[in-house]
Amino acid sequence: QVQLQESGPGLVKPSQTLSLTCTVSGDSISSASYYWSWIRQPAGKGLEWIGRVYTSGSTNYNPSLKDRVTISIDASKNQFSLKLSSVTAADTAVYYCARGGGPGFGYWGQGTLVTVSS
Amino acid sequence: DIQMTQSPSSLSASVGDRVTITCRASQSISSYLNWYQQKPGKAPKLLIYAASSFQSGVPSRFSGSGSGTDFTLTISSLQPEDFATYYCQQSYDTPWTFGQGTKVEI
Repeated sequence: QVQLQESGPGLVKPSQTLSLTCTVSGDSISSASYYWSWIRQPAGKGLEWIGRVYTSGSTNYNPSLKDRVTISIDASKNQFSLKLSSVTAADTAVYYCARGGGPGFGYWGQGTLVTVSS
Repeated sequence: DIQMTQSPSSLSASVGDRVTITCRASQSISSYLNWYQQKPGKAPKLLIYAASSFQSGVPSRFSGSGSGTDFTLTISSLQPEDFATYYCQQSYDTPWTFGQGTKVEI
């Protein structure tokens, strides 16, 4: 059974960098040919895809966030990570990690709330 | 970016009703369309992928159809556990984008 779990600070100050990690269990992040994505959802609003990393380490980002986003993979820890720089209150959201690709996101983490506030 | 537009934004229905939600893409996405169900405080759950393929474990009352720009999610007989928000998502091209959601209420 594939499971994903987000971890990281729940509170980040404005202008700082948001850092989250997704730990994958039940699957090897390096052996399976999947995309590993970050998705966020502000309270009461819809879903926004942030970006993805492939098992090879190649990445694609949402242009709306591209200059601020870095997604990386750490196969030795079976994790992938999100860094979002220069955050503002508009980045306050529940952040999800997910596995998927063309056939949709079949596995999701439970989500972690990140609040940007001083 | 490919824009995904769902209608309606919300609907009221009763147990046993047939419910239809539509999703329209701003350009052709072939069959690269996925449907999710989200309940409050929970992560979305994949219901349908590739427009009409069932994700494992999804009840057969859910079905999807369409191709190109117009897609439909149908719940044949609404059950109490189906009251939730539904999202479509295109996986044709990055950035992958979602519809704004359709809230199904009692």
